[in-house]
Order: sequence, then C-alpha cells, then structure tokens
Amino acid sequence: ELVLTQSPGTLSLSPGERATLSCRARQSITSNYLAWYQQKPGQAPRLLIYGASSRATGIPDRFSGSGSATDFTLTISRLEPEDFAVYYCQQYGSSPLTFGGGTKVEIK
Amino acid sequence: QVQLVESGGGVVQPGRSLRLSCAASGFTFSSYGMHWVRQAPGKGLEWVAVIWYDGSNKYYADSVKGRFIISRDNSKNTLYLQMNSLRAEDTALYYCAKDRGLWELDSWGQGTLVTVSS
Repeated sequence: ELVLTQSPGTLSLSPGERATLSCRARQSITSNYLAWYQQKPGQAPRLLIYGASSRATGIPDRFSGSGSATDFTLTISRLEPEDFAVYYCQQYGSSPLTFGGGTKVEIK
Repeated sequence: QVQLVESGGGVVQPGRSLRLSCAASGFTFSSYGMHWVRQAPGKGLEWVAVIWYDGSNKYYADSVKGRFIISRDNSKNTLYLQMNSLRAEDTALYYCAKDRGLWELDSWGQGTLVTVSS
C-alpha cells in the first residue's frame, strides 16, 4: 500500500500566521490524486482539497494545495480561529485508499 | 443538502457480528460510490471499504478482508457494513462517506461507535 507521511506532527501558530503542512508519499501518486481533509474535535472530516490543488465546494480561498508526484503541501495563508484542527492527506491513485497520520495545527 | 446518518454501533464481544447502516439523503444515492472509513479512539483515519454506485464492485482494506462485507440498497438509499468475527482492534468510530467521483470523500456522516470488548 502507498504510505503517506505528514509533517510536522504538530504546528503551533498564532491567528493570522501562515501554515504550511507537508505530505510525502513513498512512491509517486497516480495523476496527483491527493486530497486534504480538516477534522475538528468531535466532528467528521471535511474535504478541503482534491486533485492536489482544487478546492472543494465552499472552501475559503485561504486554503490552497500544491505539489506533485511524491511531495504535496497544504497552505493556509492566514489562520483564522476556526482553522485550528487536525489535517489529513489522502491518496486515491491506487488501492487501497490511504491516509497520512495527520498534522495538528494548534494555537500558539 | 447531503445528509448521511449512520446507525447500528454498540458494544459487542470479540468474535461476534454487527451490522452498520448509513441512511443517505439530499443526493442521487444510486449515482455515487460509497465508502466506510473508521477512526480508532484518539487515532487517525483508516479506510475500510468502498462499493460502486451500482454495487457491482467492492474493495476492502486488508485488515477487514474476509470478515467485513459492504453492500447497498439503492431502493432504500442505504449503505451497509456487515462486520463478522469482530476483534478488539476493530473498536472505532465508523463513518460512511460519499465518493465525489474518484475516491475523494466529499461528504461524511457523524459516525457510529463500535466497541469490541468482553
């Protein structure tokens, strides 16, 4: 299976700062089929980004995705209070579908 | 809007069975693939299974293959997960999720908790 490694494990930032989250794959992801999800405590995950860089419906433009092949990045340009959460990457280029271990973005 | 409501979770002894359901509304259920994803307490997300829009294809994670069965009833807009030979490591919150088209999961339910314990 295609293993995804997210870093850092925890990111401590202040509102208004820029967040940069990394997701690395052990092998190239077919067609950049890489998605990002946000999960807040007690809530289900929410799709943010698909196809590495396309925003899902209703997602603010402060969220952006980039990257290709094995290295992908989720950037939050200016953190809002509601953005403090756990973020997961997921690949869907090969079966089985796999998730990264998550990055927690916490308030500094 | 899309609504997914899971049910059927509970406490079950190791080796026993449980069937989860996911009632879907707000979209044309019969046109979309559907998934089950689980999350052990305090842990990350683990994909469990997918079923094609028409039920013609099903795929499973190795950890549940041969024990779990995914199915759907398009006439009832309902997704199922039959879980057999349950183990302690199957303890998790089980989410159903709608496939956007290529195995991206664009809508999720709130989950149903399964606890496997003697």
